Amino acid sequence: GQSLEQPSEVTAVEGAIVQINCTYQTSGFYGLSWYQQHDGGAPTFLSYNGLDGLEETGRFSSFLSRSDSYGYLLLQELQMKDSASYFCAVRGFSGGYNKLIFGAGTRLAVHP
Amino acid sequence: DTAVSQTPKYLVTQMGNDKSIKCEQNLGHDTMYWYKQDSKKFLKIMFSYNNKELIINETVPNRFSPKSPDKAHLNLHINSLELGDSAVYFCASSHRQGDNEQFFGPGTRLTVL
Repeated sequence: GQSLEQPSEVTAVEGAIVQINCTYQTSGFYGLSWYQQHDGGAPTFLSYNGLDGLEETGRFSSFLSRSDSYGYLLLQELQMKDSASYFCAVRGFSGGYNKLIFGAGTRLAVHP
Repeated sequence: DTAVSQTPKYLVTQMGNDKSIKCEQNLGHDTMYWYKQDSKKFLKIMFSYNNKELIINETVPNRFSPKSPDKAHLNLHINSLELGDSAVYFCASSHRQGDNEQFFGPGTRLTVL
């Protein structure tokens, strides 16, 4: 079966660093993605890791360890606008299809 | 320019009614999707089309019927609406089938009374 686990909520202060972890179990792993969704908004793509290691895009970085079935999203220099839900998603096979399977999301609250 | 657009943004209707949601993308992408996001924000794929051909059909009641008249459009028709259909429905597209970067529309919040 397919499953992803990520914390339901994380709280941090402006300027801090926060790490959102994601562990997964899937058939035929083809990479880990991260999406951001503000309240009332649409999910937007942040990053993709197909191989082990760290990918950096500005203040956001994403890490993958395929041997540990684990990844994380690192947000640095937090800003109020980073308050949103963050979803990890794996591409894997389920029900005969190659598709993106999303985690339940981590709600990040950034406080002044 | 809106990349992926959906109409309507809000839909409030009675149980038993039939309703449609329309989606259009102007990105020139080959693949389009319908996702359902429930009240707990769990995002689950329902259907996917690649160049107008149905490629993913999840375990969705057959009251839900997608239709893709061309590769820029993917509509969702729902018959005999039930209370449990209340959710936000997102249309999305990607350049090719299997791409991890998907572009989501603004969502349609469906409320069934």
